[in-house]
Amino acid sequence: EVQLVESGGGLVQPGRSLRLSCTASGFTFGDYAMSWVRQAPGKGLEWVGFIRSKAYGGTTEYAASVKGRFTISRDDSKSIAYLQMNSLKTEDTAVYYCTWRRGYSYGYDYWGQGTLVTVSS
Amino acid sequence: DIQMTQSPSTLSASVGDRVTITCRASQSISSWLAWYQQKPGKAPKLLIYKASSLESGVPSRFSGSGSGTEFTLTISSLQPDDFATYYCQQYNSYPFTFGPGTKVDIK
Repeated sequence: EVQLVESGGGLVQPGRSLRLSCTASGFTFGDYAMSWVRQAPGKGLEWVGFIRSKAYGGTTEYAASVKGRFTISRDDSKSIAYLQMNSLKTEDTAVYYCTWRRGYSYGYDYWGQGTLVTVSS
Repeated sequence: DIQMTQSPSTLSASVGDRVTITCRASQSISSWLAWYQQKPGKAPKLLIYKASSLESGVPSRFSGSGSGTEFTLTISSLQPDDFATYYCQQYNSYPFTFGPGTKVDIK
């Protein structure tokens, strides 16, 4: 059974940094891309970015709203994807979901439970 | 970036109603479109992928259609468990943008 578990959320001041983790199980982690999606309180879903598998270079793509501030990385030996968030702004306050899809033709068929990041002074 | 719009933003319906939600893309996305259902406090759930393919375990009352720039999600007979917010998402090109959502509530 596929499971995605996010951790690392919490309260952080504007301008500071935070790193989220997504621990995956139930599939061969290193073979797949991993993505992050966020949802501000009472708002819709926003795609944050993703990291390709090492077989495809392990490269990343980001939404314009986070590019240059957020970095996605992975540790295939631990089956963990990371979201490093720097220079945080109040508008980054959201529930952050780790997501996975079983192939390029599919939508995100598995989601973590989400972790809340609150950026406030 | 590809912009996604949905209509209506809110839909009031009764159990047993046929419900249709429309999603439009700002440029062609072929059939690379997914639909999700989200209930308060929960992660989204994939319903439809590749515009019209039903995700395993999803009731057959859900169906999707369309290609190019216009897509629809249809619920053939609304059930009590279907009152939720529905999002479309394009995955033709990065960033994989979502629509703003359609809330289906009780009439």
